[in-house]
Amino acid sequence: AQSVTQLGSHVSVSEGALVLLRCNYSSSVPPYLFWYVQYPNQGLQLLLKYTTGATLVKGINGFEAEFKKSETSFHLTKPSAHMSDAAEYFCAVSEPGGTSYGKLTFGQGTILTVHP
Amino acid sequence: DGGITQSPKYLFRKEGQNVTLSCEQNLNHDAMYWYRQDPGQGLRLIYYSQIVNDFQKGDIAEGYSVSREKKESFPLTVTSAQKNPTAFYLCASSIAGLAYEQYFGPGTRLTVT
Repeated sequence: AQSVTQLGSHVSVSEGALVLLRCNYSSSVPPYLFWYVQYPNQGLQLLLKYTTGATLVKGINGFEAEFKKSETSFHLTKPSAHMSDAAEYFCAVSEPGGTSYGKLTFGQGTILTVHP
Repeated sequence: DGGITQSPKYLFRKEGQNVTLSCEQNLNHDAMYWYRQDPGQGLRLIYYSQIVNDFQKGDIAEGYSVSREKKESFPLTVTSAQKNPTAFYLCASSIAGLAYEQYFGPGTRLTVT
């Protein structure tokens, strides 16, 4: 069964600093990978996704993530944090060829706090 | 504008009552999903449907029921058998296929006392 681990339930950075949110997965086959953002009391919005092709994926709001198969990781980064980036971030994985068609497995989430 | 609507935003019920949460989408998506969100636990899949009149249990289906009579609608009923129903419920939809992202509604916060 696939699983997703997000290291650090809370991450705090200063405005302008690098943002790094970690995501590791376990899957029997190379998965499809997603990062979502959630603002308080709202639904989730897709930041970016990796399916095939280039392993460095760029998303909205200046975020990007790199798929590293050897490390089973898909860490999310942003060079310079903005106050508006404060939110909860979820990594998710779906497994091609599995019986659970279309299912996403989510990590526990990481709350990002940005200090002035 | 296309999107997913969930109503109501906040819902309060007494213990022992069944309650139905609404989810409607106008994205013409075949697949729809219901998730439950609790603090620190991420999202857990309750039910999903890939096509009208068909649905499958997710990881935590006990105490919940769904129907899919129309492509646009996927209501979730929280029954009195659900031991801990207070949570934030999210509905999502997607194009059928593993590489396609899910689009989420704004959520319904259910409080049962």
